[in-house]
Amino acid sequence: QKEVEQNSGPLSVPEGAIASLNCTYSDRGSQSFFWYRQYSGKSPELIMFIYSNGDKEDGRFTAQLNKASQYVSLLIRDSQPSDSATYLCAVREMKTSYDKVIFGPGTSLSVIP
Amino acid sequence: GEEVAQTPKHLVRGEGQKAKLYCAPIKGHSYVFWYQQVLKNEFKFLISFQNENVFDETGMPKERFSAKCLPNSPCSLEIQATKLEDSAVYFCASSQSETRGGGTEAFFGQGTRLTVV
Repeated sequence: QKEVEQNSGPLSVPEGAIASLNCTYSDRGSQSFFWYRQYSGKSPELIMFIYSNGDKEDGRFTAQLNKASQYVSLLIRDSQPSDSATYLCAVREMKTSYDKVIFGPGTSLSVIP
Repeated sequence: GEEVAQTPKHLVRGEGQKAKLYCAPIKGHSYVFWYQQVLKNEFKFLISFQNENVFDETGMPKERFSAKCLPNSPCSLEIQATKLEDSAVYFCASSQSETRGGGTEAFFGQGTRLTVV
């Protein structure tokens, strides 16, 4: 089992709709969770981070974390064509002997005008 | 600096040659991570540093890859005797120490595109 998994894409939504991106992780002790957006040929850009169970909202973006289910999601409301990109879920695993940020494979999102 | 600076942007090496990539983390960030992204595929974790100390190198192909983060110098990732399959974009990221309520997000540099021919 991969450490971080995301729903397979590509995901296509019409402009104005809600895009829902899902992510599960295997390390129950993980504490920090991030969503990055990567445009083709560019570096990942941090969109949201979440550490506590529940929802965290920032503009059109809402991150949801459920540690019991080892599940984190990203909702994009009122999707715009400029939201078309690959969305990467990342989990930071910090232990006494190692520290790394593990990325999921990414979900490609296309917002259709 | 206020952003992670990676140099060079592009690097072309003949198979068997050495490649050296550099990364200057954001000032004040004590953690540095290196990742390899082949084509547009998954980010493969290579190595992490806490200041100048290797923290986690479980992703490093040790026979040809090495990395350092020395005080007052950019971090570096070196590939000896490059192979065609080393062609990828190498991203560096930095983050603060974990603090209550946050600070652990990693910020990425623009990447170095290595092409081995």
